[in-house]
Amino acid sequence: AQTVTQSQPEMSVQEAETVTLSCTYDTSESDYYLFWYKQPPSRQMILVIRQEAYKQQNATENRFSVNFQKAAKSFSLKISDSQLGDAAMYFCAYRRVNSGYALNFGKGTSLLVTP
Amino acid sequence: SAVISQKPSRDICQRGTSLTIQCQVDSQVTMMFWYRQQPGQSLTLIATANQGSEATYESGFVIDKFPISRPNLTFSTLTVSNMSPEDSSIYLCSVGQGTEKLFFGSGTQLSVL
Repeated sequence: AQTVTQSQPEMSVQEAETVTLSCTYDTSESDYYLFWYKQPPSRQMILVIRQEAYKQQNATENRFSVNFQKAAKSFSLKISDSQLGDAAMYFCAYRRVNSGYALNFGKGTSLLVTP
Repeated sequence: SAVISQKPSRDICQRGTSLTIQCQVDSQVTMMFWYRQQPGQSLTLIATANQGSEATYESGFVIDKFPISRPNLTFSTLTVSNMSPEDSSIYLCSVGQGTEKLFFGSGTQLSVL
C-alpha cells in the first residue's frame, strides 16, 4: 500500500514571506499523481496543485509551486508571498493511475500565517 | 468545477442511533466517494459509491456499519449505523470530474455522545 508522510505537523510563516511544506511518499509504481489540498476551518477541501509523475517539470499555480523529486519520492509545496488567507491545514495526497479518483492522504500540516 | 452540497453540516447524536448524510452534486458525475476524517487526522476513504450497484468498501469498513446509496449520477447518501463515540468524525463526500480532479463537499461534523 502506498503511504504518504508529512513530517511537519505545524508550520508558521510571516505574511509576504515564503514557506515550504514537505511531503514524502512510498510507492513501487512508476506512474501516479500527486496533489496538495488545502483545508481551511470551513472544512472544505480545496485542490491547490497537482503533479503527474511522468512530467519532469514542476507544477506551478500562481503563488504555489512544487519541488517534485521522483527518485527521492519527495513532493514539497512552496507558498510564495504568503497571505493571511493561506492559513489552513495542507494535505499531500497520492493516487495511482487507473485506480479511479481515490486518494491516499498524509496526516497534514497546519500552516499559521502571522501578520 | 462541481458544486457539492452536503447535509447536515453538523449533528450531535446519541449512542446507538443512526445518521444519514446526503450529498448532492450540481452535475452528473461518474465517481462519488465518501471519506472520514477523525479528529486531528487525515482523510481515510470509506467507500466508492457506485450508481446502480453496491458500493465498494475499503479495508476496515463494512456495509452494515456504513450503508451507502447512489440512486443516480448526482446524489448519494452515507448512513453511519449504530453509532458510538468512536464514530465522531467529519464525513466528506467527494466527486471525480475531468482531468483527475477530486472535489469535496464541506463535510458533516458528527459528534456522538
